[in-house]
Amino acid sequence: NAGVTQTPKFQVLKTGQSMTLQCAQDMNHEYMSWYRQDPGMGLRLIHYSVGAGITDQGEVPNGYNVSRSTTEDFPLRLLSAAPSQTSVYFCASTGTDTQYFGPGTRLTVL
Amino acid sequence: AQSVTQLGSHVSVSEGALVLLRCNYSSSVPPYLFWYVQYPNQGLQLLLKYTSAATLVKGINGFEAEFKKSETSFHLTKPSAHMSDAAEYFCAVRVFNFGNEKLTFGTGTRLTIIP
Repeated sequence: NAGVTQTPKFQVLKTGQSMTLQCAQDMNHEYMSWYRQDPGMGLRLIHYSVGAGITDQGEVPNGYNVSRSTTEDFPLRLLSAAPSQTSVYFCASTGTDTQYFGPGTRLTVL
Repeated sequence: AQSVTQLGSHVSVSEGALVLLRCNYSSSVPPYLFWYVQYPNQGLQLLLKYTSAATLVKGINGFEAEFKKSETSFHLTKPSAHMSDAAEYFCAVRVFNFGNEKLTFGTGTRLTIIP
């Protein structure tokens, strides 16, 4: 049981490049979410999904897309990276009453 | 909408002293409350949670928190600080509302332990 896995751990992009952050969970949870963590701001919700085929926006969705084709996977796409998207990104999977977090992806946009 | 306020972005305590990290919440419906810990360059680890059962909740590493509805608080305590407690701590509130749910985090408190 790996829990929540994220790849890559680190990534450097140039402004305007696109990329996908991968997230997978093996706990058969319906609810998954993406957060970004910035100094002094805690974690802010980007997008979330309540099940395969269903996604919705969080509080900071601009510049990010998501899809949920399977229960296990919930990728986050940056279509055209901007320096403001430099952050640490966490994927989470929610069980009965607890969220489980992945180890994070540290993204730098130059 | 719910919110979480963590008083003090930085807290320093001496090794062996009491740790007290403050968290106040606002919510229009009964909440679930959580404390997470984050060690440097790592993800968030659940420390403890309140899910409407006992108001005094015990977690890992000797931490505990008490849910006080009248004060809308969920402060985290540990009787005796250890060097390994140095980390950042996040309080979070989870609200269920009409089949939807949302987890909102505070801005975090960085705990430093003084030898």
